[in-house]
Amino acid sequence: SAVISQKPSRDICQRGTSLTIQCQVDSQVTMMFWYRQQPGQSLTLIATANQGSEATYESGFVIDKFPISRPNLTFSTLTVSNMSPEDSSIYLCSVDGGAGYTFGSGTRLTVV
Amino acid sequence: AQSVSQHNHHVILSEAASLELGCNYSYGGTVNLFWYVQYPGQHLQLLLKYFSGDPLVKGIKGFEAEFIKSKFSFNLRKPSVQWSDTAEYFCAVSTSGTYKYIFGTGTRLKVLA
Repeated sequence: SAVISQKPSRDICQRGTSLTIQCQVDSQVTMMFWYRQQPGQSLTLIATANQGSEATYESGFVIDKFPISRPNLTFSTLTVSNMSPEDSSIYLCSVDGGAGYTFGSGTRLTVV
Repeated sequence: AQSVSQHNHHVILSEAASLELGCNYSYGGTVNLFWYVQYPGQHLQLLLKYFSGDPLVKGIKGFEAEFIKSKFSFNLRKPSVQWSDTAEYFCAVSTSGTYKYIFGTGTRLKVLA
């Protein structure tokens, strides 16, 4: 299965600032997925990042708040913009290898 | 809307006890089913999956799960847990032909040595 490197692993950010999370996969994949895991809650899909096209966002998530880049088949970034304490979560990228998702190690974001 | 329910949020067991974690989903069509595990400080890992065929699926580390279509369930079992099984377990469902997974809220398992 694919190996995913995600960074940073954690960060503490001031409200109103932005953080960009990077996700690198060791093989080429068509789709990459970004999830959020809020404290005590399940994983929620933010968006699907396709190489060469705009990301597809799920209900409740918008591009202005969570812009995504997908410059090639092995890399993607998610930016959390204009952060507020409500954005404190774990953010995960994942890929589907055809037999189940593989997840990155996650980015634990705390907004103060 | 599709949903996944994990009724046990926290489970505490002694070593060698048997484990069963419940997972129910709401969707009437064909589904793919997964159990993921997250050990403390580690990332989510696939424990086992069901796509089709034998409804009793065996995964890593002695875990198994049984798909019961009539009950919309995919419960996770292990006959004898170990301290190292302490982790959070997530059930997930995807509908056939889609790539989107819907996750349950997770069950935190603590195994006492």
